[in-house]
Amino acid sequence: GQQLNQSPQSMFIQEGEDVSMNCTSSSIFNTWLWYKQDPGEGPVLLIALYKAGELTSNGRLTAQFGITRKDSFLNISASIPSDVGIYFCAGSDNYGQNFVFGPGTRLSVLP
Amino acid sequence: DAGVIQSPRHEVTEMGQEVTLRCKPISGHNSLFWYRQTMMRGLELLIYFNNNVPIDDSGMPEDRFSAKMPNASFSTLKIQPSEPRDSAVYFCASGGPYNEQFFGPGTRLTVL
Repeated sequence: GQQLNQSPQSMFIQEGEDVSMNCTSSSIFNTWLWYKQDPGEGPVLLIALYKAGELTSNGRLTAQFGITRKDSFLNISASIPSDVGIYFCAGSDNYGQNFVFGPGTRLSVLP
Repeated sequence: DAGVIQSPRHEVTEMGQEVTLRCKPISGHNSLFWYRQTMMRGLELLIYFNNNVPIDDSGMPEDRFSAKMPNASFSTLKIQPSEPRDSAVYFCASGGPYNEQFFGPGTRLTVL
C-alpha cells in the first residue's frame, strides 16, 4: 500500500531556531495535511494543501505542496518551547476520501 | 463550536470483554473516520463513513471489530471479544468541507 516517509525522525533544536521537515511518497497525492500532536492528545490540524506548488502559512508555520506532488514540506520559524511535539504529514490521492499518515517527526526545543 | 467528542477517554478491560468506543463528530460534517494509533504502526485508518454509510472498512483488522454510524451525530467502534493486542489509542476524526480531518482527543484502550 501507499506509504509516507518523514524526515528527520526526530530533531533537537535551540529555541529561536528555524525548523524544516519533509514528507515524501512514491505515489502522487492531491491533498496534503500537516498535524501536530501533543502527548495524550489528538492530532491538531495545522495546514491543508490542495494544489501542487501551493505555499500556505499559519502564523510561524509555512507548508508547501511539492511540484512533483510526491512531497510536502513544513517550516517553523523562530521556534518556541510550545512547538515541542510530533508533527505528522498525511496525504490523499482521492481528494480526502481517505488519508495515509507518515510516521511523524518528533521535535524537541531546548531553552 | 464543540470539536469531535469521544468517550470514554480511557478504558481498561480484561481480555474477552466487549469494548464500545463512541464518537460525536462536528455538526455539519459528512465524513467520519476511525483510526488506531500504536507506537509500532503509527496512525492506521480502520474505517470511514460518508453520509453515515461505511465506504471503506479494509483497515478493520478482524471480524472482532465492527463500526456503526446510525445517524450523522454518532458513531461507535466495537471490539468483541477484545484481546491484549488491541491495546492502542483509538481516534475518531470528522471530515470537513475541504477534505480536512479534525481529530477527537482519543480513547486510550488497555486490554489486560
